[in-house]
Amino acid sequence: DAGITQSPRHKVTETGTPVTLRCHQTENHRYMYWYRQDPGHGLRLIHYSYGVKDTDKGEVSDGYSVSRSKTEDFLLTLESATSSQTSVYFCATTGGTDTQYFGPGTRLTVL
Amino acid sequence: AQRVTQPEKLLSVFKGAPVELKCNYSYSGSPELFWYVQYSRQRLQLLLRHISRESIKGFTADLNKGETSFHLKKPFAQEEDSAMYYCALKAPRNRGSTLGRLYFGRGTQLTVWP
Repeated sequence: DAGITQSPRHKVTETGTPVTLRCHQTENHRYMYWYRQDPGHGLRLIHYSYGVKDTDKGEVSDGYSVSRSKTEDFLLTLESATSSQTSVYFCATTGGTDTQYFGPGTRLTVL
Repeated sequence: AQRVTQPEKLLSVFKGAPVELKCNYSYSGSPELFWYVQYSRQRLQLLLRHISRESIKGFTADLNKGETSFHLKKPFAQEEDSAMYYCALKAPRNRGSTLGRLYFGRGTQLTVWP
């Protein structure tokens, strides 16, 4: 599991509130990713990071921001949550090999 | 642009029957292809990659560049194979792609009936 944890694992929030999801890894992997998983859409990349303070947008980045101040932590923030952001969010890491290691996921519901 | 297509959203077979999960891709260069699997209540994990030419849990996948396909096959399905399967493509770095970036298909939910 590459020592990847996500917090919280479940969250229910209201439209318009800010939400921050945390991904923590203990493998010292350089690359980290945030995906969302939705029925019929599979996994879509939101943002990724290729090092501390180095981040870039994925294919569905609107409404999301990220920060990476330490190698082990990658934060995903929804500045003002909307119902369309109800989803399961996965963090993944890779140390530069082919394999991406995934976290357990965070189920977010925006009412 | 890179694209991965899994035409079957749902696939059901009986135990012991052969199973094939289809994956087609579009990419102008030489991609690297993977299959990831997500069992119920578990995290996604790598099942196999085309460059390894390996067989994992009885599954194999052959990259067919002519048909731009990377279908996942197993001759005799088992109940424990029931899961969501994702095909993924990684573009080589020298094509200007995001380092380590994977492009996922929409997934195929496989159900193996007893």
